Amino acid sequence: DTEVTQTPKHLVMGMTNKKSLKCEQHMGHRAMYWYKQKAKKPPELMFVYSYEKLSINESVPSRFSPECPNSSLLNLHLHALQPEDSALYLCASSQQATGGSTNEKLFFGSGTQLSVL
Amino acid sequence: KQEVTQIPAALSVPEGENLVLNCSFTDSAIYNLQWFRQDPGKGLTSLLLIQSSQREQTSGRLNASLDKSSGRSTLYIAASQPGDSATYLCAVRYSGAGSYQLTFGKGTKLSVIP
Repeated sequence: DTEVTQTPKHLVMGMTNKKSLKCEQHMGHRAMYWYKQKAKKPPELMFVYSYEKLSINESVPSRFSPECPNSSLLNLHLHALQPEDSALYLCASSQQATGGSTNEKLFFGSGTQLSVL
Repeated sequence: KQEVTQIPAALSVPEGENLVLNCSFTDSAIYNLQWFRQDPGKGLTSLLLIQSSQREQTSGRLNASLDKSSGRSTLYIAASQPGDSATYLCAVRYSGAGSYQLTFGKGTKLSVIP
């Protein structure tokens, strides 16, 4: 199984809502990532989890709250978002996070298209 | 600042033509370079990964090359098909501090005309 599964595929929420994005992989990868991608732009890194611990937060606003309940699951909790947060949110995984293995490949999920009204 | 540049930003070719997509990077100290394909509104599909010690990788009609000394990679697509239409992203994992993340180019949007 070389899949990263993300749910939901689409999400519309108001600025006062609380919602969560979910990501799951069963490849035994120990690094998981959240990326944000605006239309016609490359993905931007938000968070990195390594061995279920948050290792990198790329100065993301606190209205985005990541959680890694176990080595296969990654959540992104959303609260009080702004319309400019509308984007495609991508989850990814790799064997490890530090890039020490030169043949390390990043696997992406199909993303959650988020619209904030 | 470590950057990745992809030229052209968009490319339109007739079906059956061979084509080359270009990627350049600013620092030769890399772990690897990965080519992705992205369909509109979808996630990224990994096509090929070239390790820093390798010169090229092949998968089916795709061939990716790497020249670290000149900071360049190319993705060659043979006998293009309409189903190849997508945005192709090049991403570099630089070594050293920050090796946890990929640096992406802005992509080349490919249209293959039947």
